[in-house]
Amino acid sequence: GAGVSQTPSNKVTEKGKYVELRCDPISGHTALYWYRQSLGQGPEFLIYFQGTGAADDSGLPNDRFFAVRPEGSVSTLKIQRTERGDSAVYLCASSQGGSGSTDTQYFGPGTRLTVL
Amino acid sequence: AQTVTQSQPEMSVQEAETVTLSCTYDTSESDYYLFWYKQPPSRQMILVIRQEAYKQQNATENRFSVNFQKAAKSFSLKISDSQLGDAAMYFCAYRSWQGGSEKLVFGKGTKLTVNP
Repeated sequence: GAGVSQTPSNKVTEKGKYVELRCDPISGHTALYWYRQSLGQGPEFLIYFQGTGAADDSGLPNDRFFAVRPEGSVSTLKIQRTERGDSAVYLCASSQGGSGSTDTQYFGPGTRLTVL
Repeated sequence: AQTVTQSQPEMSVQEAETVTLSCTYDTSESDYYLFWYKQPPSRQMILVIRQEAYKQQNATENRFSVNFQKAAKSFSLKISDSQLGDAAMYFCAYRSWQGGSEKLVFGKGTKLTVNP
C-alpha cells in the first residue's frame, strides 16, 4: 500500500507570507504527527493528532503555527507570517494509534520550506 | 523532559566491517521505547530497530543489533557486514508517553559513511 505522502516536496516563499503544507497518512492510521527538522538537527516534535483532535500541540513554537485534521485523515500544517527561521524540513508521520504499544511511526519524505 | 544525545556527529566504516553508533538518553520514566531511524538523502526516515525498555534482551534485525544498558541509559546500534546502502544519517529516538502523547524525541544524528 501507499506510504505517507507530503506535498509539496519543496516550497519557497517570501518572509511574511502564508503557507500550507499537506500530509496524507497511511490509510487507516488514526495517529498523525508533525515534526520539524532544521539543518544539522534531529526532528523536533510539533503536534500530534489522534483522529480529528490535536492530542498534544506542545511543540508548536508560537501562534503563527496551526494544524488541522478535519476528517481524521489528511492534515494541513499552516504557517502565518513566515519568518526566515521557519526554514526547515517539515516531516509528517502516521501510526495505527495504539496507546502504550510499540506503535511504529511511518514517515513521509518531508516538505522542504525555504523562507527568503 | 527527556533528552537524547548522540556524541558522534560522523562515523565511517569499511564495507563488510562492523560499526557501532552511540546513543545516551535521560529520563525519569521506567517504561519507554527506544528506536534507531535511518535517514538517507531522500529525507524519508526509516525505522531500523526498536527496543522496549522492559525487555532485557537486546533487539536484533538481521545485520542490525542494539546494546541496551538501561541502568546506564545507553542504547548503541551495531551494524555488521556494512553495505554501501547503509550510508545515511542515523537518529536515535526515545518514545515519550506523557499525558497521552506518543511523540518521538530525537538525537542530533550520526552521519555514517561506508567506504568501498
